[in-house]
Amino acid sequence: AQSVTQPDIHITVSEGASLELRCNYSYGATPYLFWYVQSPGQGLQLLLKYFSGDTLVQGIKGFEAEFKRSQSSFNLRKPSVHWSDAAEYFCAVGAEGTGRRALTFGSGTRLQVQP
Amino acid sequence: DTAVSQTPKYLVTQMGNDKSIKCEQNLGHDTMYWYKQDSKKFLKIMFSYNNKELIINETVPNRFSPKSPDKAHLNLHINSLELGDSAVYFCASSQEGSGRSWEQFFGPGTRLTVL
Repeated sequence: AQSVTQPDIHITVSEGASLELRCNYSYGATPYLFWYVQSPGQGLQLLLKYFSGDTLVQGIKGFEAEFKRSQSSFNLRKPSVHWSDAAEYFCAVGAEGTGRRALTFGSGTRLQVQP
Repeated sequence: DTAVSQTPKYLVTQMGNDKSIKCEQNLGHDTMYWYKQDSKKFLKIMFSYNNKELIINETVPNRFSPKSPDKAHLNLHINSLELGDSAVYFCASSQEGSGRSWEQFFGPGTRLTVL
C-alpha cells in the first residue's frame, strides 16, 4: 500500500524567507501527487498537482513543487513566504491500479510565519 | 456558487445521539468521498461512492452509514455517537476517468464534537 511521509511536523520561517516543505512517498509506480493547504478552521485547498510530464509544477499562490523519482519526493517550495501562508500543508498521493480512488495523506506540516 | 458544500459546519451533540452530515457538490462529478480528520490533523478516507455505488468502505464502525440519494449528494449518518467520533469530517468529489479523476475537491468540513 502507498504511504506518504512529511518529516517536518512544524516549521517556522520569517516573512520574506524561502520555504521548502518535504514530502516522501512509498509506491511501486509513479503516483499522482498533490499538495493541499488548510488554513485555520478552513477546508482543504489544492495548491498544485503532478500527474506526468514536467517534473517541476507550478501552483497557486506562488508555490511550486518538484517530483524527483529517484528520491521518491515531491517537495513544496516558495521563494518568498507571506504572513498569509501560515497554515497546515498536506502532501497526498493517489495510486493507480490499487482499486482505490482515495487519496492517502501525509500527517501534515504546520507552517508558522514570523514577522 | 460553492463547489462542495457541507451542512452543518459545526455539530455539538451528546453521546448516544444519532446525527447526519450532508454534502452536496455542484461540479457534476460522479464520485464523492468522506474523510475523517482527527485531533492530530491526520486525514483518512472513510467512504467513497461512484454513481451512487459504494466503492470504498474502510474499516469504520458500522454506526457510520453513508447514503447517496443521487450523484450530487453524499450524506453521512452516525448512530450512537461516541466521544471518539469527535473530529472534522470532510466531503470531497472528483470525476472518474483519466488521471485527473484523482483531483479531489473538498468541502469546508464539519466539526463534530461529542460531549
